[in-house]
Amino acid sequence: DTGVSQDPRHKITKRGQNVTFRCDPISEHNRLYWYRQTLGQGPEFLTYFQNEAQLEKSRLLSDRFSAERPKGSFSTLEIQRTEQGDSAMYLCASNPTPIDLVNEQFFGPGTRLTVL
Amino acid sequence: GESVGLHLPTLSVQEGDNSIINCAYSNSASDYFIWYKQESGKGPQFIIDIRSNMDKRQGQRVTVLLNKTVKHLSLQIAATQPGDSAVYFCAENILKETSGSRLTFGEGTQLTVNP
Repeated sequence: DTGVSQDPRHKITKRGQNVTFRCDPISEHNRLYWYRQTLGQGPEFLTYFQNEAQLEKSRLLSDRFSAERPKGSFSTLEIQRTEQGDSAMYLCASNPTPIDLVNEQFFGPGTRLTVL
Repeated sequence: GESVGLHLPTLSVQEGDNSIINCAYSNSASDYFIWYKQESGKGPQFIIDIRSNMDKRQGQRVTVLLNKTVKHLSLQIAATQPGDSAVYFCAENILKETSGSRLTFGEGTQLTVNP
C-alpha cells in the first residue's frame, strides 16, 4: 500500500453514461497524476496537477474527459458519454515536486472501468 | 513518437535463479528511469530508479544497468522468488523539460517464477 487511494476500485457502466473517479494522494504530495492502462500495456499519461493547477494534458484526454483538483488535495476524473474504448484501468499517482533528478511516482490501486 | 519498449513480453525462470529483464528506449534526452513491478489487480510498485549520470545502481536483490550508448536498460533480480512473479515495466522521464513530469512506460514483461 503506497498511501494513494482510489475510489471506486471497479466501475461497470453502460455506454453513454457519465462516470467519476476519485483519487486521494499521499497528503504531503503536491503533484498528482492520472494515467490510463489497457490490458497488457503500460500506463499512458493523461494529465497532472501541481497543487490545484492542471499543468499538462495529454492528447489522449479528449473533450469528454475532465479532471479537477479543487483544493490541491484529492482529485476527480470525470468521463462523459462513456464509450467502450474507455474501458481501462485508471491509475492515479502522486509525488512531491521532483528534486535532485528523482521523480518516483507513487501509484494507487487503480479504478477498473468497464463500459458495456 | 519516441517511446520505451521491452525486448521480451514473457520470461519464465526457476526459483532461485537470477532474472534479467531488458528495456530499450529511443529518446536520448531521457535522464531518469524507473523500474516498476505490477501484480495482477494492483497499481505499479516502485522497484528501483537510476539517473542518466549513472550506469549502475543496486538495491536489495535488484540491480539496474543503464547503457546510454545503445539506449538500453536492464533489471537484474537475484535469487528470484515466487513473489517476484509480476509484470515489470520500465519508464523514462525527461526532467529537464518544463513538462518533465510524465513517465513514459514500455509494454511490460511478464515474469513467471516456477517453484
